[in-house]
Amino acid sequence: QVQLQESGPGLVKPSGTLSLTCAVSGDSITNTDWCSWVRQPPGKGLEWIGELSHSGGTNYNPSLKSRVTMSLDRSKQQFSLMLSSVTAGDTAIYYCARNLDDWGQGTLVTVSS
Amino acid sequence: QTVVTQEPSLTVSPGGTVTLTCGSSTGAVTSTYDAHWFQQKPGQAPRALISGTSNKHSWTPARFSGSLLGGKAALTLSGAQPEDEADYYCLLSYGGSWVFGGGTKVTVL
Repeated sequence: QVQLQESGPGLVKPSGTLSLTCAVSGDSITNTDWCSWVRQPPGKGLEWIGELSHSGGTNYNPSLKSRVTMSLDRSKQQFSLMLSSVTAGDTAIYYCARNLDDWGQGTLVTVSS
Repeated sequence: QTVVTQEPSLTVSPGGTVTLTCGSSTGAVTSTYDAHWFQQKPGQAPRALISGTSNKHSWTPARFSGSLLGGKAALTLSGAQPEDEADYYCLLSYGGSWVFGGGTKVTVL
């Protein structure tokens, strides 16, 4: 059974960079076509952030594209998200997903000074 | 900016049938939009139910089905159970980008 686990700081200062990692266990990450990140502001709906292919290709939400970077570390079985120049509007639960089928439990990131 | 539209809320009686729809501001939804459906219960991560318009996952209860209906993607719940009360989100593909609908809150009452 595939499991995904997000990790990273729960508090980020405004104008700083949000950095999260998703660890994949139970299957080789090379068997993943697309590694995705999705976020959900408290009490609101889901927002697709972007996706990263096993070969390194990326697709990002156009509204976030200028601030997003995703990367893959096959040796560590993990993939990462970086979101720069954050504001309070980036406060959300961040989820990682594998092929949009398997999801992590999510991690709350708060942007505040 | 592309908008994906879902009913904000629907109510279904236990054992009843309800259909949720997912429309696109770009026009009729077809199979190329690769519609996905997710269920989310309070305090939990989303759970995938349907991919590729109508393909169920191994864990998807048989009472859920996906289709195209009247130019929209649709999720039909037949024989609703109390545990089906949740938020449901659709997700559509726009050639390398994905957009979620606003979600439908389904109440089983």
